[in-house]
Amino acid sequence: DIFLTQSPGTLSLSPGERATLSCRANQNIDTKLAWYQQKPGQIPRLLIYRASVRATGIPDRFSGSGSGTHFTLTINRLEPEDSAMYYCQENGSMFGQGTRLE
Amino acid sequence: QLQLHESGPGLVKPSETLSLTCSVSGDSVYFSTYYWGWIRQPPGKGPEWFGSISHSDTAYYNPSLKSRVTLSVDTSKNQFSLRLTSLTAADTAIYYCAAIVGSTRVDYWGQGILVTVSS
Repeated sequence: DIFLTQSPGTLSLSPGERATLSCRANQNIDTKLAWYQQKPGQIPRLLIYRASVRATGIPDRFSGSGSGTHFTLTINRLEPEDSAMYYCQENGSMFGQGTRLE
Repeated sequence: QLQLHESGPGLVKPSETLSLTCSVSGDSVYFSTYYWGWIRQPPGKGPEWFGSISHSDTAYYNPSLKSRVTLSVDTSKNQFSLRLTSLTAADTAIYYCAAIVGSTRVDYWGQGILVTVSS
């Protein structure tokens, strides 16, 4: 069974700063990882798939990297609207527990 | 544009079985390359994947839920369904149906249906 662990649990930053979110898998998942952003009351929004491919309409401030067991979502030049929960998902199936970005 | 719409009861009693259906428009369940999946989100918690099924009934399940979950596809109605047995209060959540690109990502979500388990 594959499990995903996200860190940190909460990230508090200021506008203009850079956010680095981590997602670790307990076994090799190649690049089969996606990242989602979710705001209260909304459906998760796809940001990144195949570890580093930006979804349609996602600004280039969002970037993904990694392969195997360690993945990173980087958000440059933070804006207040980036405050949300961020989830990783492996293989189109299991989700991590999330990182809250404030 | 593919659209998904969940239907089913909003209130179910403990120990009973939940049956939800997802109606698909804008694509054919049978001819599509998508996997058809179910994801739930308890209040204040993250998404939890139940499982995914292809038009040919090839199904993959979340190991922690597998013993209670059955997925099925009805190509004649362009629908797919979720059956979850032995409900407890912990199964209270918003249930979403989804179109999943195999091994990659969720491309489309339904609007979600809130299911409350309570006597």
